[in-house]
Amino acid sequence: QKEVEQNSGPLSVPEGAIASLNCTYSDRGSQSFFWYRQYSGKSPELIMFIYSNGDKEDGRFTAQLNKASQYVSLLIRDSQPSDSATYLCAVRGYGQNFVFGPGTRLSVLP
Amino acid sequence: GAGVSQSPSNKVTEKGKDVELRCDPISGHTALYWYRQSLGQGLEFLIYFQGNSAPDKSGLPSDRFSAERTGGSVSTLTIQRTQQEDSAVYLCASSFTSGGSGELFFGEGSRLTVL
Repeated sequence: QKEVEQNSGPLSVPEGAIASLNCTYSDRGSQSFFWYRQYSGKSPELIMFIYSNGDKEDGRFTAQLNKASQYVSLLIRDSQPSDSATYLCAVRGYGQNFVFGPGTRLSVLP
Repeated sequence: GAGVSQSPSNKVTEKGKDVELRCDPISGHTALYWYRQSLGQGLEFLIYFQGNSAPDKSGLPSDRFSAERTGGSVSTLTIQRTQQEDSAVYLCASSFTSGGSGELFFGEGSRLTVL
């Protein structure tokens, strides 16, 4: 059973702080890793994807991947109240379907 | 089309009725996925298509659920003899490839309420 684990939260951070979201996965054959954001009542939207070990930065967002530890994280710098949402980690192996984690609910306090 | 299109956006039905949910993926996307999301819960995988075939239908909850895809494009998810526990948002997503790359693009979902 391929599993993706996330802390359900809520994770509360003050405005302007760094929010750190974590995800672990069980399938060592996983190839690609995705972070989606889901606002309440809306469908998930892609924030970032990462394939290689290390860091990948896009604006205020940084994804970090460590395949040896089977760990992927998302850092949000200068958090804004508009970042308050549920963040879904998704993992995909070659030719396989996406496996989503349960999501972490982030609350950024003004 | 410009994005993944799902219909209907909302469906209220009586227990025991059949429902059909439709998904029109982004043009050219070969892979199509169906997920279910109950209130306050995560995404539950149902089935995915590569072209018209379904390599993985392991998530379909029971034989009341079926899905098909025709012409490598539009997909229909059918739920027969609906039950109250089928109430959820049904999300469709598509991607360009299923070969270990290619992010999912989601539709806005079909909210099903079974009375």
